Amino acid sequence: NAGVTQTPKFQVLKTGQSMTLQCAQDMNHEYMSWYRQDPGMGLRLIHYSVGAGITDQGEVPNGYNVSRSTTEDFPLRLLSAAPSQTSVYFCATEGLGRGGYTFGSGTRLTVV
Amino acid sequence: KNEVEQSPQNLTAQEGEFITINCSYSVGISALHWLQQHPGGGIVSLFMLSSGKKKHGRLIATINIQEKHSSLHITASHPRDSAVYICAVTGNQFYFGTGTSLTVIP
Repeated sequence: NAGVTQTPKFQVLKTGQSMTLQCAQDMNHEYMSWYRQDPGMGLRLIHYSVGAGITDQGEVPNGYNVSRSTTEDFPLRLLSAAPSQTSVYFCATEGLGRGGYTFGSGTRLTVV
Repeated sequence: KNEVEQSPQNLTAQEGEFITINCSYSVGISALHWLQQHPGGGIVSLFMLSSGKKKHGRLIATINIQEKHSSLHITASHPRDSAVYICAVTGNQFYFGTGTSLTVIP
């Protein structure tokens, strides 16, 4: 039982490049979300989804796109990376009231 | 304005001490979560609670809904408890505190 699998663990991008951070879960959790963690600011919600076909914006959605075509997968896309997107990204799932969050291991992204 | 405030921001304790970390929130919530982030970066959910008190090993979490306050207690602290402890609430949105960095010295 893998839980939440987040890839890649590390990535360096040049300004303007695009990439997709992958998040997959095998717990059949309805809720999936993406956060960024910056020093002194705590975790901030980027986008979230309460089920397949449903996505919504969080606190800091600009510069990021998401889709939820299946229950298992919730990829985060950076269409044109900017240095301000240098951060650590976490994917998390929750079984909507059945238990706490389960986090992926994080992606450390550097945009140069 | 932070919807979730934690105190203290940093805490150093001697091994064996009783530790309390506090969390206050200003929004209506359906649940409060305590998370633990180790130096390696991984985040683990410790508790989810909406009322009363929960206990897991040496960790105890309490919540007072009327006062919008929660506490995380660690009894008989150990160096392996050294981590950042994050309070998060589930309401209309999901809000996180900035974390309490705990160092337990042998």
